[in-house]
Amino acid sequence: GENVEQHPSTLSVQEGDSAVIKCTYSDSASNYFPWYKQELGKGPQLIIDIRSNVGEKKDQRIAVTLNKTAKHFSLHITETQPEDSAVYFCAASLLGNEKLTFGTGTRLTIIP
Amino acid sequence: DTEVTQTPKHLVMGMTNKKSLKCEQHMGHRAMYWYKQKAKKPPELMFVYSYEKLSINESVPSRFSPECPNSSLLNLHLHALQPEDSALYLCASSQEARLGVGTDTQYFGPGTRLTVL
Repeated sequence: GENVEQHPSTLSVQEGDSAVIKCTYSDSASNYFPWYKQELGKGPQLIIDIRSNVGEKKDQRIAVTLNKTAKHFSLHITETQPEDSAVYFCAASLLGNEKLTFGTGTRLTIIP
Repeated sequence: DTEVTQTPKHLVMGMTNKKSLKCEQHMGHRAMYWYKQKAKKPPELMFVYSYEKLSINESVPSRFSPECPNSSLLNLHLHALQPEDSALYLCASSQEARLGVGTDTQYFGPGTRLTVL
């Protein structure tokens, strides 16, 4: 089955700087890669996703890049703000499979 | 509207109690999911319903019993739970992406924080 590794497990970034979280996956058939943000006491919220026919996707301060050959994808947050502090999970799946395999999570702390 | 609602927000129950968690979505999604999340861990899939039929059971103990009364509702019936079952229970939904049509994007509810005494 699919295995997703996520690094780092914790990340502290000065407000205004950029944050990068990296994930690798094992199953080359996976073709859908969402990122979720989970704030304390809340459910995961989708912040961006990418499909394998695209190498990069951007939404304002958030971007995701995908390298299918190396089987890794990354989340980039620019101009970080205190409200970006949360736990971020990457995930991978095969479209139509209904099963998401999550990474282990990254606790991002933005230092004011 | 991408809202999934869950009730109750918090639940405390004894090991001999019977309780139910409820989940509702009005996005017309045909796939609904139950996840269990322990502290500092990712969500762990328990069940998937597709078109109101159970399609995935991740070898969950029988003390957890899912039910999908209609396409908008998902229940999780709890009976004779153990303290180690204490966790955040998340519901999610997505358009059914069979045959590559539609999207697999899963939208999560806020969860029910369950404590078993």
